[in-house]
Amino acid sequence: AQSVTQPDIHITVSEGASLELRCNYSYGATPYLFWYVQSPGQGLQLLLKYFSGDTLVQGIKGFEAEFKRSQSSFNLRKPSVHWSDAAEYFCAVVPPSGYSTLTFGKGTMLLVSP
Amino acid sequence: GAVVSQHPSRVICKSGTSVKIECRSLDFQATTMFWYRQFPKKSLMLMATSNEGSKATYEQGVEKDKFLINHASLTLSTLTVTSAHPEDSSFYICSARTSRDETQYFGPGTRLLVL
Repeated sequence: AQSVTQPDIHITVSEGASLELRCNYSYGATPYLFWYVQSPGQGLQLLLKYFSGDTLVQGIKGFEAEFKRSQSSFNLRKPSVHWSDAAEYFCAVVPPSGYSTLTFGKGTMLLVSP
Repeated sequence: GAVVSQHPSRVICKSGTSVKIECRSLDFQATTMFWYRQFPKKSLMLMATSNEGSKATYEQGVEKDKFLINHASLTLSTLTVTSAHPEDSSFYICSARTSRDETQYFGPGTRLLVL
């Protein structure tokens, strides 16, 4: 069965510092990959997605993610974090063959310190 | 584009009553909609998948008679929590997927509190 691992439950970053959130997946074929962000009491907002092609994907709010097939990873990055980026971040995958349901990681809570 | 709305955003009801939550895709047609439940500090738990015009597919452990799902059109799905009890209190989130690709767009969620 496919799985998604976000090894960091919490991460604290100083405002203005760079950020990298880790995501690893376990699946036979390369799945479609997504990053979502959830602010407290809100739904999930799509940050970016990877289906194929260029392995460096640009998203909204200054985020980017890099797909590395050899490492089965899809890490999310941002060069300079803003206080408003504090939220829960979810990595998710879906198999490329036919429509299926998303498999989510457990999420990483990002805290931004002044 | 790809906006999903939910109504109501929060609801308080008495134990034993039923509550209906609406999920709408505002600017696209959603052939498939999903209903999730989220417990505090937890990831999303998929409850059911609904395709327009057909019966919903429920995940294991989700009572289909308690959580009634109707996907009557390509832009609207409803979740009715029947005979709600305090343990049904939770954050319910819907998502919608287009026929174009595998991307799910999520609604803002509905906070249900059953007293």
